[in-house]
Amino acid sequence: DTAVSQTPKYLVTQMGNDKSIKCEQNLGHDTMYWYKQDSKKFLKIMFSYNNKELIINETVPNRFSPKSPDKAHLNLHINSLELGDSAVYFCASSRNGDRDAQYFGPGTRLTVT
Amino acid sequence: KQEVTQIPAALSVPEGENLVLNCSFTDSAIYNLQWFRQDPGKGLTSLLLIQSSQREQTSGRLNASLDKSSGRSTLYIAASQPGDSATYLCAGGGATNKLIFGTGTLLAVQP
Repeated sequence: DTAVSQTPKYLVTQMGNDKSIKCEQNLGHDTMYWYKQDSKKFLKIMFSYNNKELIINETVPNRFSPKSPDKAHLNLHINSLELGDSAVYFCASSRNGDRDAQYFGPGTRLTVT
Repeated sequence: KQEVTQIPAALSVPEGENLVLNCSFTDSAIYNLQWFRQDPGKGLTSLLLIQSSQREQTSGRLNASLDKSSGRSTLYIAASQPGDSATYLCAGGGATNKLIFGTGTLLAVQP
């Protein structure tokens, strides 16, 4: 049983396209996150949702829009993709906020050409 | 603003050796400190979570400590094995409700 799953695992697309990454967790957690890991392997938070409500919105271009249809899902939609968006995007969840351990998905490697 | 630093950036040890990975953070108002492992091309696996009220946590051959006053956490790995080879990340959680990650230590355990 996969606790936190993401689709797709790999995504190759051209500049200017719009793409979505999906995330689902079956842990019954209330909080979900999106992180970006750049080419230097540095992980930085992008968004956090608690029970479908946006909690954290870091300095992220508004081309990135998260959507949480229910507390088990947090999708990431990216408009007008740019070369600099190439990275690995990780979804994570925790029971209730950052006081609890976070569990990560396998990541989505996005390559923009 | 919380900053998390990990030293060394890379470490190579022979199999069987005990080792310590270091993590430093600037803001002592930390809620918790979490250690992760990341294998190449994979996601992060949570290893240990230490709450601010705790001083250490143990899981098998792993022991993590937290000293808020000095802004330090260590991950001790006993009797290292080649399967322990991975990147180890620490991350601090605080009042901003987000985890701040260190840059990681790449560990190679030589058979």
